[in-house]
Amino acid sequence: KAGVTQTPRYLIKTRGQQVTLSCSPISGHRSVSWYQQTPGQGLQFLFEYFSETQRNKGNFPGRFSGRQFSNSRSEMNVSTLELGDSALYLCASMGAEDTEAFFGQGTRLTVV
Amino acid sequence: GENVEQHPSTLSVQEGDSAVIKCTYSDSASNYFPWYKQELGKRPQLIIDIRSNVGEKKDQRIAVTLNKTAKHFSLHITETQPEDSAVYFCAASPGGGNKLTFGTGTQLKVEL
Repeated sequence: KAGVTQTPRYLIKTRGQQVTLSCSPISGHRSVSWYQQTPGQGLQFLFEYFSETQRNKGNFPGRFSGRQFSNSRSEMNVSTLELGDSALYLCASMGAEDTEAFFGQGTRLTVV
Repeated sequence: GENVEQHPSTLSVQEGDSAVIKCTYSDSASNYFPWYKQELGKRPQLIIDIRSNVGEKKDQRIAVTLNKTAKHFSLHITETQPEDSAVYFCAASPGGGNKLTFGTGTQLKVEL
């Protein structure tokens, strides 16, 4: 079966702009989580969506938001981009609770 | 919230030797502990996981041990091979969703 798909793979944006990233989970998975990966901070949890509702939230400012659609696809939005938002953004989908979280290839965001 | 510490940050071993990576967690509510391997430019992939009702789990050359009292868990790789070279992340989850708190990663290098 198809894995987790993230689009786009690469993105270059200017400070102050906003960006939307997309994640399509494995078919049948209703949970989608987002993570930010940077060399300095490692992998940090942003938020989780389950059945179109935000179920968990990490410690990121309100500029980071997300949503989930009825087909479980999820989007993440970052507004008023800062240089420090440059990172690899990974999403992960999970079937049953506390089972393997499958990661997508990530979206590499560069803010200039 | 949960805090996961991981040591060492880098580990270099000779092919055939064993490698051990250690993690500690802070939240006694955490009950699921996966380990992910991330090769350069690729997505994290689960290599083994353990739940809090189990003290040890083994899968071929890889094993994980968990000490709930001390709040620490370890990854053991025996008979290391060059293809084991990657960054390894431990993580902890309190259950109730797809929310992982990751350690800072260990760069494992297996030398010929």
